[in-house]
Amino acid sequence: DVKVTQSSRYLVKRTGEKVFLECVQDMDHENMFWYRQDPGLGLRLIYFSYDVKMKEKGDIPEGYSVSREKKERFSLILESASTNQTSMYLCASSWLGPEPYEQYFGPGTRLTVT
Amino acid sequence: AQSVTQPDIHITVSEGASLELRCNYSYGATPYLFWYVQSPGQGLQLLLKYFSGDTLVQGIKGFEAEFKRSQSSFNLRKPSVHWSDAAEYFCAVGSTDSWGKLQFGAGTQVVVTP
Repeated sequence: DVKVTQSSRYLVKRTGEKVFLECVQDMDHENMFWYRQDPGLGLRLIYFSYDVKMKEKGDIPEGYSVSREKKERFSLILESASTNQTSMYLCASSWLGPEPYEQYFGPGTRLTVT
Repeated sequence: AQSVTQPDIHITVSEGASLELRCNYSYGATPYLFWYVQSPGQGLQLLLKYFSGDTLVQGIKGFEAEFKRSQSSFNLRKPSVHWSDAAEYFCAVGSTDSWGKLQFGAGTQVVVTP
């Protein structure tokens, strides 16, 4: 079974702190994604990566950066956390190919910024 | 640009009754369509997907969905719901030129009453 793990289920940070969210997948997937989930807005793509050291902006990249130094690990970084970044963050991974493959999701990290 | 609309934010259904969740998409070429379920406190799990072929797709947990190109719809159905079907359901669309990215709808919250 594919497993996508996220470093924390719950996180509380203060405004202005630098925040790292980590995601690890064990299926050798090329693609990895970071989403933000808010009520009534569904999932919005923050960043995705299709290879090591490669990254592409999604729909809402402002205030976020990412790092992918190893194929299995994809980190989301909030350089200076703000209260409007309080949200559920979901990581996903998938194969890269001519078709959009199923994405496998981690359990999510609920981040609260106070 | 691709878009996905789930017209129903919230649906309440009695246990044992049938369930239908609506999904409309906007995309010029042949879409790749997915339904995911998110149980409370969990990540998303794939229920079923449509790439081509038979327009009626069977999935896990007794769900099925029908692709109707003329209506740009991909509605999810279950003949008899169980209390464990209470969850949030997301429709998503992808394409061959999206590098594996999916566009998600806003989600439909399903409440099951005794």
